[in-house]
Amino acid sequence: AQKVTQAQTEISVVEKEDVTLDCVYETRDTTYYLFWYKQPPSGELVFLIRRNSFDEQNEISGRYSWNFQKSTSSFNFTITASQVVDSAVYFCALRVAYGGSQGNLIFGKGTKLSVKP
Amino acid sequence: GAGVSQSPSNKVTEKGKDVELRCDPISGHTALYWYRQSLGQGLEFLIYFQGNSAPDKSGLPSDRFSAERTGGSVSTLTIQRTQQEDSAVYLCASSLGSFGRAEETQYFGPGTRLLVL
Repeated sequence: AQKVTQAQTEISVVEKEDVTLDCVYETRDTTYYLFWYKQPPSGELVFLIRRNSFDEQNEISGRYSWNFQKSTSSFNFTITASQVVDSAVYFCALRVAYGGSQGNLIFGKGTKLSVKP
Repeated sequence: GAGVSQSPSNKVTEKGKDVELRCDPISGHTALYWYRQSLGQGLEFLIYFQGNSAPDKSGLPSDRFSAERTGGSVSTLTIQRTQQEDSAVYLCASSLGSFGRAEETQYFGPGTRLLVL
């Protein structure tokens, strides 16, 4: 069975602080994909990044960076110099490549990030 | 181009009534997914369509829930004899639907907020 754990339910930071959102996943599959989505107060899930299980290169996109470590089954997300507009709920998700449930994303419970001015 | 659209954006109904929720995927996307987001359960997969067929209905919580897709485009999720526990946000997503679909990014609509009184 697959599972995604986001242990941090809520995080509050002050603008310009760096913040890391943790994601730990469980799967026995060797081929899988990991995703991060952002859900602002408007409610729509916005895609941020996708990684496959064979590519452990970390990625940076502007103020966002992702650290994928298979050894610890983690896919953590860091926001550098946070801004108020970063306030949202962030979801980590897993999708396996094979098997009956390959159609669906398995989501963590989400981490609510509040960035205060 | 246009994203995934859903209607209605909000729906209030009385217990026991039937409701229909509509999803219009991104043009050209052959794969379509329904998810449910509730406070207690987080984001849960309901059903997946490839074209007009539904190879994975494993997430539908009961036989009161059904979905169809016609013309490979619009999908309707129907909940019969609604119960209060059906209150949630129902999210629709679509992806290209090509062979390697497990790695495809799912793009989400704004959701329909259903409240059953």
